[in-house]
Amino acid sequence: DVKVTQSSRYLVKRTGEKVFLECVQDMDHENMFWYRQDPGLGLRLIYFSYDVKMKEKGDIPEGYSVSREKKERFSLILESASTNQTSMYLCASSNRREAPQHFGDGTRLSIL
Amino acid sequence: GENVEQHPSTLSVQEGDSAVIKCTYSDSASNYFPWYKQELGKRPQLIIDIRSNVGEKKDQRIAVTLNKTAKHFSLHITETQPEDSAVYFCAASPGTASKLTFGTGTRLQVTL
Repeated sequence: DVKVTQSSRYLVKRTGEKVFLECVQDMDHENMFWYRQDPGLGLRLIYFSYDVKMKEKGDIPEGYSVSREKKERFSLILESASTNQTSMYLCASSNRREAPQHFGDGTRLSIL
Repeated sequence: GENVEQHPSTLSVQEGDSAVIKCTYSDSASNYFPWYKQELGKRPQLIIDIRSNVGEKKDQRIAVTLNKTAKHFSLHITETQPEDSAVYFCAASPGTASKLTFGTGTRLQVTL
């Protein structure tokens, strides 16, 4: 069974801090994704990656960056956290096009 | 880019009744359409998916239909049970990339 693990379930940070959210998958998937989930807005894609050291902007990349140094790990970085980045962040992975994405449990991030 | 609209945003049915959730998409190149179920506090999980070369797919009490001409697809749940209560998301993938565009979700409540 595919396992996607996010480093924290809950995280509280302060405005202006640099924040790292980590995601690890154990199925050797090529593709990894970061979404944020907000009530009434569904899941919105922030960034995704097809391979190590490759990244593509999603629909809402502003204020975020990512890093993929190893195939199994995909990190989301909030360069200077702001209150409007308070949200649920979900990581997902898949092994090819037209394939199901498998999600982690999410990180509920609060920026104070 | 792709735009996915989902209706209704909330749906309440009595146990044993059927539930239908509808989605429309904008990109005619989209060819993969998964549906996810998210129970309260849990990760989204794939329940069924359909590809553009198929018009209908069924898995026990769940079915999905796809009309490529009209660019819409629907989720049908028959004989609903309390454990079907959750938020359901539709999504579409353009096929040229692995990314998904999600609808805004439908909160389904099955009452006794």
